[in-house]
Parts: sequence; structure tokens; C-alpha cells
Amino acid sequence: GAGVSQSPSNKVTEKGKDVELRCDPISGHTALYWYRQSLGQGLEFLIYFQGNSAPDKSGLPSDRFSAERTGGSVSTLTIQRTQQEDSAVYLCASSLEELAGVDETQYFGPGTRLLVL
Amino acid sequence: AQKITQTQPGMFVQEKEAVTLDCTYDTSDPSYGLFWYKQPSSGEMIFLIYQGSYDQQNATEGRYSLNFQKARKSANLVISASQLGDSAMYFCAMSLNTGNQFYFGTGTSLTVIP
Repeated sequence: GAGVSQSPSNKVTEKGKDVELRCDPISGHTALYWYRQSLGQGLEFLIYFQGNSAPDKSGLPSDRFSAERTGGSVSTLTIQRTQQEDSAVYLCASSLEELAGVDETQYFGPGTRLLVL
Repeated sequence: AQKITQTQPGMFVQEKEAVTLDCTYDTSDPSYGLFWYKQPSSGEMIFLIYQGSYDQQNATEGRYSLNFQKARKSANLVISASQLGDSAMYFCAMSLNTGNQFYFGTGTSLTVIP
């Protein structure tokens, strides 16, 4: 079946502009995650959605970052008034999570490479 | 506080040889999961192998095995019979019952030499 998809694959924007990144999780997966990966670094957690529960926004670095998940499926990460330090790869992952546990594998999309000039 | 530590920024291995990528973790939770992911130059994170904290045996998946030493809090990835296609970044990650995220290490870049 189809994996996690993300669009666009690459985005170049000017400082101060808003950007929207999209994630389409694996069908049937109830949990969705956004991570940020800066050059040569590991992954930094941003936000987590699970079903109809309130999202865990504890990783969002500033109020310029927001995300929503419509209908329990597609998610959009929005960065307002982008800054050069926002340049990174933004990765989305989903997991089945029928029963929340430590063994729930996260499956990742190909990422969106964001460059803020 | 760093929860996952990968001390090898770069590793080289001869084709067909075995290689061990190190990972140590830090948690006081009795229940946790340990994962390894491969990230080729294309950027996608590919799940390789999982080890649960209560698992009695080391996990194996084809050429990948996880050397789980609970007392030492280490979860090293062993790749046997390395192939050129194994050249990539490798990330160790941990999941906990508290919180919803995976904690990732900074990764190890593996280069397989023909």
C-alpha cells in the first residue's frame, strides 16, 4: 500500500513569507507526527496528533508554527513569517497506534526540504 | 537531557564485512522501545528493527541484528555482510510510555567501501 506522502518535496521561500507543508499519512494510521531535521542533526519533535484527542504541541519552537489535522487524516504544518533558521527538512510520520505503546513503529514520509532565503 | 547518544559520527566498512553502530540510551522508565532507522541520501527514514525493553532475545531482521545490553543501556545495531547500498545515515531512537514522541540520536554516517 501507499506510504506516507509529503508535499512539496522542496520549498524555497523568502524570509517573512508564510509556508504550508502537507502530510498524507498511511491509510488507517491514527497517529501523526511532525519532526524537523536540521542539517547534520537528528530529528526534533514538533507536534503529535492522535485521533480526536487534543494534539501534543510541546515541541513547536515558537508561535509562528502551527499544525492542523483535518478529518483525522491529512495534516498541514504552517510556518508564519519564516526565518532563515527555519530552513530544515520537515518530516512527517504516522503510526497505527491501535493501543498506545512503546512498540508502535513510526513510518516516515520523504520530507519537505525548506529553504528560507 | 540527551536520551539517545550515538558517539560515532562516521563509520567505514569494507563490503561484505560486518559493522556495529553504537547507541546508548538514558531512561528510568521500565518500559521503552528502541528503534533503528536508515536514512539514505534521498532523505526518507526507513524503519529497520525494533527491540522492546522486556524482550528476552535480541531482535533480528535479515542482515540486521540489535545487540541489546539492558544493564549497560546500549542497543547497538549490527549489519552483517555489508552492501554498497547500506551506505546511509543510521539513527537510533527510543519511545517511552510517557510522552508521544520518539527521541532520536544524532546519527551515524556509514560508508561501505567496495
